Amino acid sequence: DVKVTQSSRYLVKRTGEKVFLECVQDMDHENMFWYRQDPGLGLRLIYFSYDVKMKEKGDIPEGYSVSREKKERFSLILESASTNQTSMYLCASRQDRNLAKNIQYFGAGTRLSVL
Amino acid sequence: QKEVEQDPGPLSVPEGAIVSLNCTYSNSAFQYFMWYRQYSRKGPELLMYTYSSGNKEDGRFTAQVDKSSKYISLFIRDSQPSDSATYLCAMSVSSNTGKLIFGQGTTLQVKP
Repeated sequence: DVKVTQSSRYLVKRTGEKVFLECVQDMDHENMFWYRQDPGLGLRLIYFSYDVKMKEKGDIPEGYSVSREKKERFSLILESASTNQTSMYLCASRQDRNLAKNIQYFGAGTRLSVL
Repeated sequence: QKEVEQDPGPLSVPEGAIVSLNCTYSNSAFQYFMWYRQYSRKGPELLMYTYSSGNKEDGRFTAQVDKSSKYISLFIRDSQPSDSATYLCAMSVSSNTGKLIFGQGTTLQVKP
């Protein structure tokens, strides 16, 4: 069964803190994604990675960075958290971009509050 | 104008009703269309996947794509309280790129 695990369900951080959101998938998937989900805006892509050590900017990368040192793990980093980064963060993975179906599997999400 | 528009609702229906959820889009290059269901405090899960125009049925769920009108729909027959969730449409230009464009999501409540 497909499983994407996000390390924290809820996080509360202070403005200016460095924040790490961790995501692990156990399906040997090549591709991984980070989204944020806000009311009225849906899901917006922050960064994605097609393979280990690869990363590409999504639609809203400003204020974020990512790390993919191992195939199964994709980390989202907020270098200096700000209140406008309070959101639900969703990690997703996909088997391979060369397969016919563009199906992404999601984790349960991390609800981050920046005070 | 957003690439994908979805009425956020909320939509409240009695149990057994037929539900219609809709999305419109502006990019005629979209070819792959998906519906995700997201229960409260959970991540989205894929419900339906269709390619190009036409209908696809899976149990009580039917996904419909009308590319000429740039309009997709999800129909739920005999709706159940367990169908209460947020429904997100998503679409992509290509099957082998990672980029999905999501609608805002429609929150559905089915009352017993």
